[in-house]
Amino acid sequence: RKEVEQDPGPFNVPEGATVAFNCTYSNSASQSFFWYRQDCRKEPKLLMSVYSSGNEDGRFTAQLNRASQYISLLIRDSKLSDSATYLCVVTRQTGANNLFFGTGTRLTVIP
Amino acid sequence: DVKVTQSSRYLVKRTGEKVFLECVQDMDHENMFWYRQDPGLGLRLIYFSYDVKMKEKGDIPEGYSVSREKKERFSLILESASTNQTSMYLCASSFTSAPPYEQYFGPGTRLTVT
Repeated sequence: RKEVEQDPGPFNVPEGATVAFNCTYSNSASQSFFWYRQDCRKEPKLLMSVYSSGNEDGRFTAQLNRASQYISLLIRDSKLSDSATYLCVVTRQTGANNLFFGTGTRLTVIP
Repeated sequence: DVKVTQSSRYLVKRTGEKVFLECVQDMDHENMFWYRQDPGLGLRLIYFSYDVKMKEKGDIPEGYSVSREKKERFSLILESASTNQTSMYLCASSFTSAPPYEQYFGPGTRLTVT
């Protein structure tokens, strides 16, 4: 089983739509979780950390379900500028600072 | 703002050449990482370093070596470049001290080996 698994997509959604991505991870000892965003031919950039209680940043909401070992990202009111690949990321082991990156889910927002 | 820079954006080398990729970060981060990114495979960790002169193998170290003589600089070396090392190479850095351990990336070097 892969450390981090994501649906590669692509997800093609109209502007204004709500879209959700899920990700599962295999290491139950993982402590930190993130969503990164990667634009075409650019480096990954941190979008948001994911906390057990869930967290929201504007139109973006991240949730963590430790029991089921999955992480979700919800984007409301999609904008054209949200088009990118979204990478699910988890730490490799307890207390460590190495990260496993998912292969990413590609989102295209259509006018 | 954290800044991670890489020596080249694009590089073309011939098979068998020795290739040096340089990465510099300006935030006094303890940890530095080298990844390669290929379509469908995502980011794969080649080597990382958690201190000066320290290095650890990642998932795919074969054919690569690294050097960290100064805290801010981490070099990736391809001893004898091969065509299967054609890829996007990304350097990243992070603090050790506490979670959540997010990593900051440089702009990447797109290496083509012919």
